[in-house]
Amino acid sequence: DQQVKQNSPSLSVQEGRISILNCDYTNSMFDYFLWYKKYPAEGPTFLISISSIKDKNEDGRFTVFLNKSAKHLSLHIVPSQPGDSAVYFCAASGTGTASKLTFGTGTRLQVTL
Amino acid sequence: DTEVTQTPKHLVMGMTNKKSLKCEQHMGHRAMYWYKQKAKKPPELMFVYSYEKLSINESVPSRFSPECPNSSLLNLHLHALQPEDSALYLCASSYDRGGNQPQHFGDGTRLSIL
Repeated sequence: DQQVKQNSPSLSVQEGRISILNCDYTNSMFDYFLWYKKYPAEGPTFLISISSIKDKNEDGRFTVFLNKSAKHLSLHIVPSQPGDSAVYFCAASGTGTASKLTFGTGTRLQVTL
Repeated sequence: DTEVTQTPKHLVMGMTNKKSLKCEQHMGHRAMYWYKQKAKKPPELMFVYSYEKLSINESVPSRFSPECPNSSLLNLHLHALQPEDSALYLCASSYDRGGNQPQHFGDGTRLSIL
């Protein structure tokens, strides 16, 4: 039972354009959501998070949007840069399962010149 | 540069060997985690330590034995592993197990079982 889903296994975006990565979840107990970036041969790097009391959180080029009613979140990267090419994992946790992250299957982002 | 350091980066071992994976963090975090990641899959939680005590064991086989000697160190002792245990083993830490705490990962140990 995949409680966190990233339905696009890959995405290709031109440099300078916006990258939008999507994530859906099914467990209504999740109240904290994170995005991680992973390069080959490295561990996941924490990018940005959002708690369920917000619907938007911004950090530089990265913005995460949360739509609780649709159980959907997205990561926007503007402008996209070649160094953003990586696998992006969405993750979620709930108060009752604090610190127990449930990961999505990942989306591979390729930023082309 | 990652603030969670894992050694070794690569490990090849036979099914009868005993080896250990090590993880260290100096961020003052009180929660530490072991994950297993297979190719093209998300990380899967194995163990959680909180304040040096084991708080979650995700039904991991006993051939994997975690140890937390102090608040900065986390070990994973390996014995009699199977070929299907070949994977990337990731360590992570967070400030504590309270809600809304991001976990920070090391770069992992790539383990191959012959």
